[in-house]
Amino acid sequence: QVQLVESGGGVVQPGRSLRLSCAASGFSVSNYAMHWVRQAPGKGLEWVAVMSYDGNNEYYADSVKGRFTISRDNSMNTLYLQMNSLRAEDTALYFCARDNNGDYWGQGTLVTVSS
Amino acid sequence: DVVMTQSPLSLPVTLGQPASISCKSSQSLVYSDGNTYLNWFQQRPGQSPRRLIYQVSNRDSGVPDRFSGSGSGTDFTLEISRVEAEDVGVYYCMQGTHWPPGTFGQGTKLEIK
Repeated sequence: QVQLVESGGGVVQPGRSLRLSCAASGFSVSNYAMHWVRQAPGKGLEWVAVMSYDGNNEYYADSVKGRFTISRDNSMNTLYLQMNSLRAEDTALYFCARDNNGDYWGQGTLVTVSS
Repeated sequence: DVVMTQSPLSLPVTLGQPASISCKSSQSLVYSDGNTYLNWFQQRPGQSPRRLIYQVSNRDSGVPDRFSGSGSGTDFTLEISRVEAEDVGVYYCMQGTHWPPGTFGQGTKLEIK
């Protein structure tokens, strides 16, 4: 069955970097648009980034543009989010989700940016 | 960017009673293929979001038939015919028509009165 498992979260100081992973099973990430969505503590859902199914296009929310990079490894069937120049406002639970209509989600990985 | 506006933001409901959540988009969600990509998600406390409804009115596998979606163009509704205790959580609408960016509604918190 379809499963998405995020990892890589943790506590990091402002200005530092972190890389999140989303391991997929039950389908190939190369066949679907894949997204990162985040949720700050007690807040709603905020879309962060998407990689198109063919891997040729990436789009980012204005709040992370220039700092975050989405990528994937088809051989590992894994999606990544490289987060640089982290800020306190990036503190959130980060989810990966499949497809532009979000049919499957992972359980999330928590990123805390704090000095 | 498409703005999704939900109402109400808080919804206290008595067990066994119906509930209704509205979602309005700032522009039509009809895609060039004729489909309308409006989705509804449920997020129970401490859990990740789960899609309930896709393309306005189609229930995902395993979703109880007390959940239904309706609407067209820019106005959409999620209805629960008889609220049960397990329905407590936050409900989000999300449009999948105009990417990027992806846009969610603010969320509606359903609680038992």
